[in-house]
Amino acid sequence: NAGVTQTPKFQVLKTGQSMTLQCAQDMNHNSMYWYRQDPGMGLRLIYYSASEGTTDKGEVPNGYNVSRLNKREFSLRLESAAPSQTSVYFCASSVRTGGYSPLHFGNGTRLTVT
Amino acid sequence: GQQVMQIPQYQHVQEGEDFTTYCNSSTTLSNIQWYKQRPGGHPVFLIQLVKSGEVKKQKRLTFQFGEAKKNSSLHITATQTTDVGTYFCAGSGNQFYFGTGTSLTVIP
Repeated sequence: NAGVTQTPKFQVLKTGQSMTLQCAQDMNHNSMYWYRQDPGMGLRLIYYSASEGTTDKGEVPNGYNVSRLNKREFSLRLESAAPSQTSVYFCASSVRTGGYSPLHFGNGTRLTVT
Repeated sequence: GQQVMQIPQYQHVQEGEDFTTYCNSSTTLSNIQWYKQRPGGHPVFLIQLVKSGEVKKQKRLTFQFGEAKKNSSLHITATQTTDVGTYFCAGSGNQFYFGTGTSLTVIP
């Protein structure tokens, strides 16, 4: 099984450009998440989807939008990229939300905004 | 809001020495999870603790959950170079938060 698959692995954007990060899981998990990881700040939740058809804001949602396309897929969109969005982005999934289900992470997308 | 603090931020040890990282919350946690992230990799789930005072072991790793369910620790006995990476705790209260992580370097 592939688990959680993220694309692309690397991306360089110029300020103001837009892009969509793709994520798919094949574990039949109900919940999916987008995190960003910055040095010294751990993992911060951007958006999550508790189940198909629902999305909710996390700690740092500003500048991002998400779409839960179906049970498998959860995308993250940057409409107008800013240098502050330079980060490593991780998609994750779990059986359900609530903190008792372990998170399974993708390999990450390393995004640089110049 | 609730936050989960983790110390130390960095730790360098000689191979064979022990290592401990601590996780502290300002509020009572329902449970705590621990993850390991290898350099350049993604976080991988290690274990979950739920009960007050719970202790779990995985080979050389010992995980503890405090009696008040506000703190947790991960102790590695006799570190090896394969232990290199960043260890994160993640706690559930009103929300689910990751700690800032402890980066472990093991010097051969």
